[in-house]
Amino acid sequence: DAGVIQSPRHEVTEMGQEVTLRCKPISGHNSLFWYRQTMMRGLELLIYFNNNVPIDDSGMPEDRFSAKMPNASFSTLKIQPSEPRDSAVYFCASSFWTGGRHTEAFFGQGTRLTVV
Amino acid sequence: GDSVTQMEGPVTLSEEAFLTINCTYTATGYPSLFWYVQYPGEGLQLLLKATKADDKGSNKGFEATYRKETTSFHLEKGSVQVSDSAVYFCALSGGGGSQGNLIFGKGTKLSVKP
Repeated sequence: DAGVIQSPRHEVTEMGQEVTLRCKPISGHNSLFWYRQTMMRGLELLIYFNNNVPIDDSGMPEDRFSAKMPNASFSTLKIQPSEPRDSAVYFCASSFWTGGRHTEAFFGQGTRLTVV
Repeated sequence: GDSVTQMEGPVTLSEEAFLTINCTYTATGYPSLFWYVQYPGEGLQLLLKATKADDKGSNKGFEATYRKETTSFHLEKGSVQVSDSAVYFCALSGGGGSQGNLIFGKGTKLSVKP
């Protein structure tokens, strides 16, 4: 397996534009996480899916952020409209949930988003 | 809910020094515990894990023992190298109070000088 695949690796956009980040989890994994990482705030969980269903979205900053997982092999994180404070590295991770816990999570390489 | 607390960084050591990064957790159940490492410009990757009390996880010279009595999972390495410079994250899963989430600590940055 190629691991968790995120695209794009880098995104530069203007304030007010819509941004869509994409993630392909590892085949066979049934849980998917979206994280945001900045120097100031560290690693923050945005949303967590289990079997394609959002379980915890308490970390989604506001209505400008939305995430979907239409099937087990694809997820998107959308920001509309984007703002400069959204600039960060966004990570997607996947794991296998069984017996009430996760096996180790595998992370993608991240998408570095810059909003100017 | 469940939580993970790890020591504040940054930690700066000389090559071949002994490393300890403290991690304690709060959980209502019996979680699995993990250490992840993030090298500059990369995503997090699993370093080691332990799934039950008294288990010792080890990898690349790093070790951590799951201590239920002290709710701790401290990371140790006997002799660090410059290549160990990275950010280290302690994490837990399955603690019963986190909606099944994977909970991370804030990370500890390690810098090793030659």
